[in-house]
Amino acid sequence: DAGVTQSPTHLIKTRGQQVTLRCSPKSGHDTVSWYQQALGQGPQFIFQYYEEEERQRGNFPDRFSGHQFPNYSSELNVNALLLGDSALYLCASNPTGGTEAFFGQGTRLTVV
Amino acid sequence: QQQVKQSPQSLIVQKGGIPIINCAYENTAFDYFPWYQQFPGKGPALLIAIRPDVSEKKEGRFTISFNKSAKQFSLHIMDSQPGDSATYFCAASQMGSARQLTFGSGTQLTVLP
Repeated sequence: DAGVTQSPTHLIKTRGQQVTLRCSPKSGHDTVSWYQQALGQGPQFIFQYYEEEERQRGNFPDRFSGHQFPNYSSELNVNALLLGDSALYLCASNPTGGTEAFFGQGTRLTVV
Repeated sequence: QQQVKQSPQSLIVQKGGIPIINCAYENTAFDYFPWYQQFPGKGPALLIAIRPDVSEKKEGRFTISFNKSAKQFSLHIMDSQPGDSATYFCAASQMGSARQLTFGSGTQLTVLP
């Protein structure tokens, strides 16, 4: 079982650019959530995807968008990058109706 | 009301000691309380979780104590080892909110050899 996998592991972007991060959920999991973890802080919920639709959204601006594909993998897109978007972006997956969330290793995004 | 408050921010213990990390919440709709362990450069890994219908849960050297009336829960690590040195996060979630996790601010634990 490969667990939750994310790509890329590290990324450097310039302010104003756009970025796409990718996530493959754990085998048997169909629900994917994205979190942002700033340095020294706990993860903050961005949104969750289930059945290819955004099911729940946290307090993040519309610059943050996502997508889920029929194979349950997911993408996180961030437009018009700000310096403050620099963080570790985490993907987590759950089985349908399951409470346990399993996290990937994250993508470290640095905006310069 | 959605916050989970965690303390202490950092903790240093000797090998074999029993570090205790505390969390408090306000939202009485929370019904699932996991603890995660995170090493530098890695994603959080689920350690142990509890529901409010039990007061204690043990898995190996990790124990969660839960006080529903006080809206507090804590993690105890028995016989701590240097390999336990990591950042620990408490979290909470509720039904009807897509099970989004609300995390505490984290505790950086150092276990000295």
